[in-house]
Amino acid sequence: DAGITQSPRYKITETGRQVTLMCHQTWSHSYMFWYRQDLGHGLRLIYYSAAADITDKGEVPDGYVVSRSKTENFPLTLESATRSQTSVYFCAAQQGYEQYFGPGTRLTVT
Amino acid sequence: RKEVEQDPGPFNVPEGATVAFNCTYSNSASQSFFWYRQDCRKEPKLLMSVYSSGNEDGRFTAQLNRASQYISLLIRDSKLSDSATYLCVVKGAGSYQLTFGKGTKLSVIP
Repeated sequence: DAGITQSPRYKITETGRQVTLMCHQTWSHSYMFWYRQDLGHGLRLIYYSAAADITDKGEVPDGYVVSRSKTENFPLTLESATRSQTSVYFCAAQQGYEQYFGPGTRLTVT
Repeated sequence: RKEVEQDPGPFNVPEGATVAFNCTYSNSASQSFFWYRQDCRKEPKLLMSVYSSGNEDGRFTAQLNRASQYISLLIRDSKLSDSATYLCVVKGAGSYQLTFGKGTKLSVIP
């Protein structure tokens, strides 16, 4: 597996606050991804990155910002959190043809 | 038509039973196919890739029918530990983006 860690694992924040979810891989895989998982929707891609300093939008990017200054880190920022962003967030990295996921961050926006 | 469709279940089967999951995808240009397993409140984990010729891994057999745009997963001799949600996943040609089905929930009963 790609050795992916995410932090925090659980987060409660208030509407309007900025919050950053961290993702770190112990390897140096080029491609990294952020997904959200909600009941009734399955996993949906928010953003992905092909390499350091290269990012692109996925299916549901609105309200999120990403950066990738180092290959091993891929943070996701909610600039002004909304209740609709309450979800479980998974980071993933591509190894060969397969994607491997981190343990997830459970975010609640009150 | 949804991109990847699965029967949500739940499938409740006794230990030792054989169970089959089906999945259809809408994009005929899709190139790679996978089954992931997700335990409650955990990250998705790759179960197996699905090859055109079909493939087997122990008690698990995956098949692909490109003409019908159909993927299947067969689990033989079900174990209690097989209880999980099984996600059908499709990757488009020339893309690293995965499209996930909503999953089929399996409960194996003693």
